[in-house]
Amino acid sequence: KQEVTQIPAALSVPEGENLVLNCSFTDSAIYNLQWFRQDPGKGLTSLLLIQSSQREQTSGRLNASLDKSSGRSTLYIAASQPGDSATYLCAVTWDNYGQNFVFGPGTRLSVLP
Amino acid sequence: EPEVTQTPSHQVTQMGQEVILRCVPISNHLYFYWYRQILGQKVEFLVSFYNNEISEKSEIFDDQFSVERPDGSNFTLKIRSTKLEDSAMYFCASRGDRETQYFGPGTRLLVL
Repeated sequence: KQEVTQIPAALSVPEGENLVLNCSFTDSAIYNLQWFRQDPGKGLTSLLLIQSSQREQTSGRLNASLDKSSGRSTLYIAASQPGDSATYLCAVTWDNYGQNFVFGPGTRLSVLP
Repeated sequence: EPEVTQTPSHQVTQMGQEVILRCVPISNHLYFYWYRQILGQKVEFLVSFYNNEISEKSEIFDDQFSVERPDGSNFTLKIRSTKLEDSAMYFCASRGDRETQYFGPGTRLLVL
């Protein structure tokens, strides 16, 4: 069964710290992987999409890397801010046609001022 | 910036009633999805839709569920006879040729 896991489940850091969120997936033959942000009670905001042929993607203070062979992706957040506090979700698709996602359980991040 | 919209934002219904959740995908997108998130649990895939037909569905998407694109802009999810366990946040998503999926804000469904 194709599954996605994320560690840690929750993380609390002081403002200004750099941090790494981890995502692991079974079956390395993924099509693509997307990182999302979810604020409490809200929808999902797309952060970064990594294609299976890519090793990393960057957007502002965010950098996502992909290591297919080890079944892992990391989301690096530089110089964290209180506004970064949210749940971060990793989603993987193995299907190049429909591209329906399998989601991880998320990492709940709190950045303390 | 274009976005996916969903209505209503909240819906409360009695068990056994029919509900229709509505979505307006981004206008030039061709692939549409419904996902759901039961409180405190993972986001789960329900169904994908392309070229006016279902392209894939999960085990959750049984005969009580149906989807439709009644016109050029709306995409709906119907639950024919709601159960208590259908209570969840339902998300619509759409995708164009580029492969990023864009999600709507969700409809929170509460079945009493």
